[in-house]
Amino acid sequence: AQTVTQSQPEMSVQEAETVTLSCTYDTSESNYYLFWYKQPPSRQMILVIRQEAYKQQNATENRFSVNFQKAAKSFSLKISDSQLGDTAMYFCAFMGPYGNKLVFGAGTILRVKS
Amino acid sequence: EAGVVQSPRYKIIEKKQPVAFWCNPISGHNTLYWYLQNLGQGPELLIRYENEEAVDDSQLPKDRFSAERLKGVDSTLKIQPAELGDSAVHLCASSSNLASNEQFFGPGTRLTVL
Repeated sequence: AQTVTQSQPEMSVQEAETVTLSCTYDTSESNYYLFWYKQPPSRQMILVIRQEAYKQQNATENRFSVNFQKAAKSFSLKISDSQLGDTAMYFCAFMGPYGNKLVFGAGTILRVKS
Repeated sequence: EAGVVQSPRYKIIEKKQPVAFWCNPISGHNTLYWYLQNLGQGPELLIRYENEEAVDDSQLPKDRFSAERLKGVDSTLKIQPAELGDSAVHLCASSSNLASNEQFFGPGTRLTVL
């Protein structure tokens, strides 16, 4: 069974600075998908960024980028120019090749301070 | 485009009482998911529907949980009887097809069992 581990329960960053959230996973699959979801306080979860395992190039979405290390089974999220609105719980998630379900990590609470 | 709608947003019941949650997915999305999110943890899949068929209910505690998706659109998740440990957020998500991979989440129903 796949597992996803987020080793940082909480992180803080000053506004406008850069922060990196860590995620590791375990799978025997060679093809799969990885996601970062954001869950603001009392609001619904939204997709931040997605990475296909067969793509070597790291995904980027505006201020959000990932560092995907397939051999190390590592998938970190970098947030540049942090904004107050980035304050949220961030979940790393894995999906197998058949796209059947998401396996989530325990989450990292990110607080952006002014 | 309207997002995934869930109701109620909050529910407080006494243990041993029944409770039901309702989900309306994004129009045209044939895949619907129910996830359980315990406090401080990532969501875990309970059941996945393809149209009106439950294709993965392996994690659904069938002794007290049941779900249905009549006509392949709206879905209802029921707990009977509720236990103290059922206090959690029940999330509904939908996707248009497996190839897209992205799941869109509703705001969830926060259940408190007293």
